[in-house]
Amino acid sequence: QQNVQQSPESLIVPEGARTSLNCTFSDSASQYFWWYRQHSGKAPKALMSIFSNGEKEEGRFTIHLNKASLHFSLHIRDSQPSDSALYLCAVSITGGYKVVFGSGTRLLVSP
Amino acid sequence: EAAVTQSPRSKVAVTGGKVTLSCHQTNNHDYMYWYRQDTGHGLRLIHYSYVADSTEKGDIPDGYKASRPSQENFSLILELASLSQTAVYFCASSEAGSAETLYFGSGTRLTVL
Repeated sequence: QQNVQQSPESLIVPEGARTSLNCTFSDSASQYFWWYRQHSGKAPKALMSIFSNGEKEEGRFTIHLNKASLHFSLHIRDSQPSDSALYLCAVSITGGYKVVFGSGTRLLVSP
Repeated sequence: EAAVTQSPRSKVAVTGGKVTLSCHQTNNHDYMYWYRQDTGHGLRLIHYSYVADSTEKGDIPDGYKASRPSQENFSLILELASLSQTAVYFCASSEAGSAETLYFGSGTRLTVL
């Protein structure tokens, strides 16, 4: 049974700071990794995904994946108040149907 | 962009009553899912479907039934609503299985009194 854990549970950072969010998973067969972002009262929306070890950058956002360590992370450069949201990591395995979510990190970027 | 619509947006139900939550997608996606969101638990999978007229159990199916009468529509049914089923429910769709991005509806906030 896949277990996905996120840290920290919540985070407050000043505008312009670099923010790091962490996700660990338990199933070494995991192949697909996402970060979803959910603004208050809204639907979760996919932010970024990564499917192989290493790093992927899109604008101010970077994902790092280390399958051997069962860990991936999201880094936000120059954090903005509009980045304030609940961030959910998600993991799935090849050929499966199920995406397992972490419990989320609530980020607040203060102006 | 993918479109998933849920109804109602919110609902108040009485304990022991029947509740039906509806979901409609216009993406031509095969997979549809029902998730439940509670504070501190992220999203937990209740039921999913990969073809019309067939549904499968997710991680927390007890107390819930699902129905997929067509590719576009997926319903979640609470036959006997309980207080513990108060939560926000999200429907999602994806092109294929677990390798694909999920597209979520706006959610239904269910309160059982």
